[in-house]
Amino acid sequence: QKEVEQDPGPLSVPEGAIVSLNCTYSNSAFQYFMWYRQYSRKGPELLMYTYSSGNKEDGRFTAQVDKSSKYISLFIRDSQPSDSATYLCAMLQTGANNLFFGTGTRLTVIP
Amino acid sequence: GAGVSQSPSNKVTEKGKDVELRCDPISGHTALYWYRQSLGQGLEFLIYFQGNSAPDKSGLPSDRFSAERTGGSVSTLTIQRTQQEDSAVYLCASSLRASTNEKLFFGSGTQLSVL
Repeated sequence: QKEVEQDPGPLSVPEGAIVSLNCTYSNSAFQYFMWYRQYSRKGPELLMYTYSSGNKEDGRFTAQVDKSSKYISLFIRDSQPSDSATYLCAMLQTGANNLFFGTGTRLTVIP
Repeated sequence: GAGVSQSPSNKVTEKGKDVELRCDPISGHTALYWYRQSLGQGLEFLIYFQGNSAPDKSGLPSDRFSAERTGGSVSTLTIQRTQQEDSAVYLCASSLRASTNEKLFFGSGTQLSVL
């Protein structure tokens, strides 16, 4: 079993739709939960991070962490064509060096 | 520079040749990572440098892979006797310090193709 599981998609939605991206994990020691966005031929860039459980909102983006279910989500409201990218979840244990990444979900927002 | 810089952006090599990939992290960042990204796979951790501490090499897939970081700044990833399965995008990332390793800044990567 992989440490982090993520549906690779692809996911295609019309402009303005609400997008839900999800990851599950098996390691209960993970404390930091991140979402990275990766445009084609670019490196990933940090979009949001959350420590432990709860919700975090930043503009059109909301990250949710449910540690009891080992499940994290990223919601994108009013999706835009510029949101078209691959979204990777990542997780980290406190004091550890290595981030564990999901395989990424490829999102296309159609104008 | 403002961000993490990697070179070359693309490298095509023949099986059995050695390659060197370079990473120039953000100035002042003490932590540096190398990851590998293959098609359909997540990012695979290779090696981690933090300041003057011994590197964490636990992710290196074989002894053909090595990396060094000189002067706490520029890093070079070397792959000896390349194999076709080494074809991937090699990403370098840096963070300000060990306590902020959840906030990585990535370069654009080196696309390695082994023929």
